Amino acid sequence: DAGVIQSPRHEVTEMGQEVTLRCKPISGHNSLFWYRQTMMRGLELLIYFNNNVPIDDSGMPEDRFSAKMPNASFSTLKIQPSEPRDSAVYFCASLGDRGLTGELFFGEGSRLTVL
Amino acid sequence: GEDVEQSLFLSVREGDSSVINCTYTDSSSTYLYWYKQEPGAGLQLLTYIFSNMDMKQDQRLTVLLNKKDKHLSLRIADTQTGDSAIYFCAESSGSARQLTFGSGTQLTVLP
Repeated sequence: DAGVIQSPRHEVTEMGQEVTLRCKPISGHNSLFWYRQTMMRGLELLIYFNNNVPIDDSGMPEDRFSAKMPNASFSTLKIQPSEPRDSAVYFCASLGDRGLTGELFFGEGSRLTVL
Repeated sequence: GEDVEQSLFLSVREGDSSVINCTYTDSSSTYLYWYKQEPGAGLQLLTYIFSNMDMKQDQRLTVLLNKKDKHLSLRIADTQTGDSAIYFCAESSGSARQLTFGSGTQLTVLP
């Protein structure tokens, strides 16, 4: 299995630009999570989906952030417009129903720098 | 809400044992986890313990759980340079598919 695949691995953009991060979960996993990691705030859960439906988006910072999961094999996290304080590593993780609760499989992350 | 706390840094000499500590507040925690994050990579599940256990051993790793004090520790025996990483403690309350992560402990293994 290829694991959770995220793209891009690195993105540098200017303030005000739209950013789209992509995630392909492990095949057969029905829960998908987006996390943000920064030095100051550690690892924060932004949103999670179960069977493609958003279950909890209380961690999404503000309206500039949106996430979609149009099908079981693809999710996007969009920031529009981006700001320098959005600079962070964004992780996607997936979890299957048959797995141990909490046994998340993480992608390698997308490192975002907003200038 | 739930909170998980860890010290930020730990340095040990190669060959020594490392002990990383964690405290949590959610008394309904069902599972507690240790994740490892190597530089430039995502988190990877290292080990876990169910809340009705007080110890779990897996090769060089020993997890101790004091449920009364809500204290979790991870002991790494014979620490190697390859163990240098950030270690995250996390808990879940079982029915929720969400984890609460600590801030992570940066383990540095000195030669």
